[in-house]
Amino acid sequence: GNSVTQMEGPVTLSEEAFLTINCTYTATGYPSLFWYVQYPGEGLQLLLKATKADDKGSNKGFEATYRKETTSFHLEKGSVQVSDSAVYFCALVSNDYKLSFGAGTTVTVRA
Amino acid sequence: GAVVSQHPSWVICKSGTSVKIECRSLDFQATTMFWYRQFPKQSLMLMATSNEGSKATYEQGVEKDKFLINHASLTLSTLTVTSAHPEDSSFYICSAPSGSYNEQFFGPGTRLTVL
Repeated sequence: GNSVTQMEGPVTLSEEAFLTINCTYTATGYPSLFWYVQYPGEGLQLLLKATKADDKGSNKGFEATYRKETTSFHLEKGSVQVSDSAVYFCALVSNDYKLSFGAGTTVTVRA
Repeated sequence: GAVVSQHPSWVICKSGTSVKIECRSLDFQATTMFWYRQFPKQSLMLMATSNEGSKATYEQGVEKDKFLINHASLTLSTLTVTSAHPEDSSFYICSAPSGSYNEQFFGPGTRLTVL
């Protein structure tokens, strides 16, 4: 079956630091890959996505590249802000529309 | 982008009562919706797939008689937690797929607390 393995947190950074959250996956077929963000007390928001190999998703300074050869979709941001403090989920979906989530990584950015 | 709403956003109930949670797609039609639950500081666990016009499909380990799902229309799915107990306290989130890349849009979630 499908599965997502995500770097465990929590991660604590200073403002303007570089952020990387590792994500690898196992899936049949050709899944689409996503990063979702969840702010305290809220539901999930789509941060970025990639639908095929070598695609790069980007949004709000975050980037992730769909690497089929390493089955990875690592999230990066060059300079984080306090407002980036949240829980980040890596996820994939196959043809059945069912999402498989990673465990989530809590990121705290300190001023 | 597409918008999914949930109602209520939070509910507190006594043990033994039933609670209904609504999930609506506001600007698109969804023949399929998904229900998840999330325990504190944990990931989302898929509970069931709600199908318009047919029975819901439940994931392994989820009691279908406990968590009743009705997909009444192309824009509404409801989850009823029957005879709720404190262990049912959780954050329940729905989602609906829209667009050509299997993208899902999530509701804001419903916080259920059973006393």
